[in-house]
Amino acid sequence: KAGVTQTPRYLIKTRGQQVTLSCSPISGHRSVSWYQQTPGQGLQFLFEYFSETQRNKGNFPGRFSGRQFSNSRSEMNVSTLELGDSALYLCASSLGQGKSGHEQYFGPGTRLTVT
Amino acid sequence: AQTVTQSQPEMSVQEAETVTLSCTYDTSESDYYLFWYKQPPSRQMILVIRQEAYKQQNATENRFSVNFQKAAKSFSLKISDSQLGDAAMYFCAYRGPPLQGGSEKLVFGKGTKLTVNP
Repeated sequence: KAGVTQTPRYLIKTRGQQVTLSCSPISGHRSVSWYQQTPGQGLQFLFEYFSETQRNKGNFPGRFSGRQFSNSRSEMNVSTLELGDSALYLCASSLGQGKSGHEQYFGPGTRLTVT
Repeated sequence: AQTVTQSQPEMSVQEAETVTLSCTYDTSESDYYLFWYKQPPSRQMILVIRQEAYKQQNATENRFSVNFQKAAKSFSLKISDSQLGDAAMYFCAYRGPPLQGGSEKLVFGKGTKLTVNP
């Protein structure tokens, strides 16, 4: 089975721009979660989607949004980029239900640099 | 809110020796999951081991084992026969109760950077 894939792997944007990151989960996985990783704050939960519905949301401003498609692929969008949004954005997928569904598998991440 | 604390920002171990990474957490729940993830320099996060809170037996995966002390809210990771490939950041993570339709949000500790010396 192919693992979690994220595109693009690297991105450089300018302050004020917007960006869209994509995540394709492992085949059969219905839950996709997004995390932001920075040296200062560590790993912080952004949001989680299951069957196209947002199931949970972290404490991030409304500039951060996401969605999930019927094939479970997910996108996250950041509008009006700020320098502090520079981070590694990680996507994780899981089955989403049942006891075996609680293991999350991570993608390689998208490194976003805001200048 | 649940919190996860890793008190050792960095650790080092000699190849073939044993090292223990510490993790404590805070929760009011009685049922939950705990995980150790490994993030090598290439940045791909890999699940190392998981523990269900309702299980008293400590989880083991080859050279990796945990010491789960529920009352003390402690969840340490022991790596035996350390190998050069074990060098990485190690993150302890908490996941809340397995409610039907419930969130699978992970709460992570700050991580421990493990160096393996040849």
